[in-house]
Amino acid sequence: DGGITQSPKYLFRKEGQNVTLSCEQNLNHDAMYWYRQDPGQGLRLIYYSQIVNDFQKGDIAEGYSVSREKKESFPLTVTSAQKNPTAFYLCASSYIPGGVGTEAFFGQGTRLTVV
Amino acid sequence: GENVEQHPSTLSVQEGDSAVIKCTYSDSASNYFPWYKQELGKRPQLIIDIRSNVGEKKDQRIAVTLNKTAKHFSLHITETQPEDSAVYFCAAKSRDMRFGAGTRLTVKP
Repeated sequence: DGGITQSPKYLFRKEGQNVTLSCEQNLNHDAMYWYRQDPGQGLRLIYYSQIVNDFQKGDIAEGYSVSREKKESFPLTVTSAQKNPTAFYLCASSYIPGGVGTEAFFGQGTRLTVV
Repeated sequence: GENVEQHPSTLSVQEGDSAVIKCTYSDSASNYFPWYKQELGKRPQLIIDIRSNVGEKKDQRIAVTLNKTAKHFSLHITETQPEDSAVYFCAAKSRDMRFGAGTRLTVKP
């Protein structure tokens, strides 16, 4: 069964804790992305990666970190430096043939709540 | 980086009417423009896309137009149905993929 999987679906974090959100894809996609979605808002880009061992900051990277050690995995760590982390986090991946973008497939999302 | 603006933020139409959502982008290197539909609590799903070498694309009741010179693209939904009610996002892709802020479409029966 091919696709992109995020875990966990719900995550609760105490203030001052770091938490890591998992994103795995078996679509052999080159590019992977992390977005944050707040209630009634659009998708804001946190980080993206086009190749293993390389990633770039998006618009709201502060307080977040990522790694891309394997093509299929792109975990996101929400650090204690992120002052307002409660949000819905979406991971996506896409194939990039010849530099021309193609459809991004989304995971089912992780809803993070700070308690 | 790319900046995508989307209008309107909310749109309410009667069943059977048409709905139009417009987006502009800033990066002339963007070459791929997808539209996503997101239902409450679910992941965004692609409904139609267009590449920079095409001016218009249609799929049944949905069409997208692209004006590269003006850097804007639009989604057109004809004969709207209540199940079209959702949030719609446009996006533009160059090195990364940036999204508009979304349009909440409500189709009244």
